[in-house]
Amino acid sequence: DAGITQSPRHKVTETGTPVTLRCHQTENHRYMYWYRQDPGHGLRLIHYSYGVKDTDKGEVSDGYSVSRSKTEDFLLTLESATSSQTSVYFCAISATNLQPQHFGDGTRLSIL
Amino acid sequence: KQEVTQIPAALSVPEGENLVLNCSFTDSAIYNLQWFRQDPGKGLTSLLLIQSSQREQTSGRLNASLDKSSGRSTLYIAASQPGDSATYLCAVLPIDNAGGTSYGKLTFGQGTILTVHP
Repeated sequence: DAGITQSPRHKVTETGTPVTLRCHQTENHRYMYWYRQDPGHGLRLIHYSYGVKDTDKGEVSDGYSVSRSKTEDFLLTLESATSSQTSVYFCAISATNLQPQHFGDGTRLSIL
Repeated sequence: KQEVTQIPAALSVPEGENLVLNCSFTDSAIYNLQWFRQDPGKGLTSLLLIQSSQREQTSGRLNASLDKSSGRSTLYIAASQPGDSATYLCAVLPIDNAGGTSYGKLTFGQGTILTVHP
């Protein structure tokens, strides 16, 4: 399996609090992605990175920000969590933009 | 906007049966198509990647075909086993307006939930 670690694996928090999810990779891959998975919507891209400090928005980026200060770490931040952001969040990596993406095991986030 | 549809949404078959999962996409301007497997509570595992210039790819009991002009792909699973039970997702890598790959941004279908019973 590709060396991808997501933390935390589960989190419950309250509306209005900040939340940061971490994706750590040991593969030295250039591309990293954050998705959310919801029933009826499938997988949707939140943000992605194509290099250190190079990031951009995906399909559902409102309410989220990201940072990538090192190749191995890609952080997803919910500045002020809302109940609509309750979801399962997946990180993915790939060596190039044409290679298969490899996924972490996800973070289950509940916002009450 | 590219849309990906998977039919059926769920499928239940007895062990040993050969089966076909379907994926269709609305825009034929793609670089490649990927099939993934997702087990409950887990992330996605890449199964097969077909380049737009290819017609099929095989891995063990899995065979994926691609007909780009008609916007269709199928995943064929031979001699199904209970361990094949999972959700199967397809995803396309579109060609963007500039002729690039939009940094590898995939468009996913919603998946087919497969149950293989003994």
